[in-house]
Amino acid sequence: DIQLTQSPSFLSASVGDRVTITCRASQGISVSLAWYHQKPGEAPKLLIYGVSFLQSGVPSRFSGSGSGTEFTLTINSLQPEDFATYFCQQLNTYPYTFGQGTKLEI
Amino acid sequence: QVQVAESGGGLVKPGGSLRLSCTASGFIFRHYYMNWVRQTPGKGLEWVGCISNSGVTYFADSVKGRFFISRDNARNSVFLQMNSLTVDDTAVYFCAREVTDEVNFSGSVHLDSWGQGTLVTVSS
Repeated sequence: DIQLTQSPSFLSASVGDRVTITCRASQGISVSLAWYHQKPGEAPKLLIYGVSFLQSGVPSRFSGSGSGTEFTLTINSLQPEDFATYFCQQLNTYPYTFGQGTKLEI
Repeated sequence: QVQVAESGGGLVKPGGSLRLSCTASGFIFRHYYMNWVRQTPGKGLEWVGCISNSGVTYFADSVKGRFFISRDNARNSVFLQMNSLTVDDTAVYFCAREVTDEVNFSGSVHLDSWGQGTLVTVSS
């Protein structure tokens, strides 16, 4: 199975900050790498797919990059609604797998 | 708009069975793969399995041989049959639509629409 390791696990930041979350895969996963965020009691919400494509309706302060086994999610100018838990997921190979999550808090 | 909604969660004893349902609307259901993902309380996400548009299924090792996925395209529904449940199966179960990028033609796959989840508690 492909393991995804996110770092950091916890991230403390302030409104207006720029933050970066990293997702490392145990082997190459081509382009099927997605990022989601989730707030307590809610379903995950898709932010980025195909490594770098912004899902419709998601603010442009979110961006994704990377290739091979290392990928990043960047959030520019953090807004209050961005404080949540972020997950990466690979959908290149079964079983699909998720990173362990990064909790972004104030 | 695209919507998916899970139902059927509840309390079940270890060794028992439960069947979850997921009903979809707002898109041509028979064209899409559908996935099940679970989340243990306060923890991360675990992919459970999926069913292709032609009915082929794939599962995580942790549930293989115990969980089964089926679909009824006439009812726009997908089902997760869970057998031989253990306390480790206690989780919120989400249903999600799988799509292939048809905007950028990248070939990437992702889960774009999720239900709100249904809680399954396995306890004696």
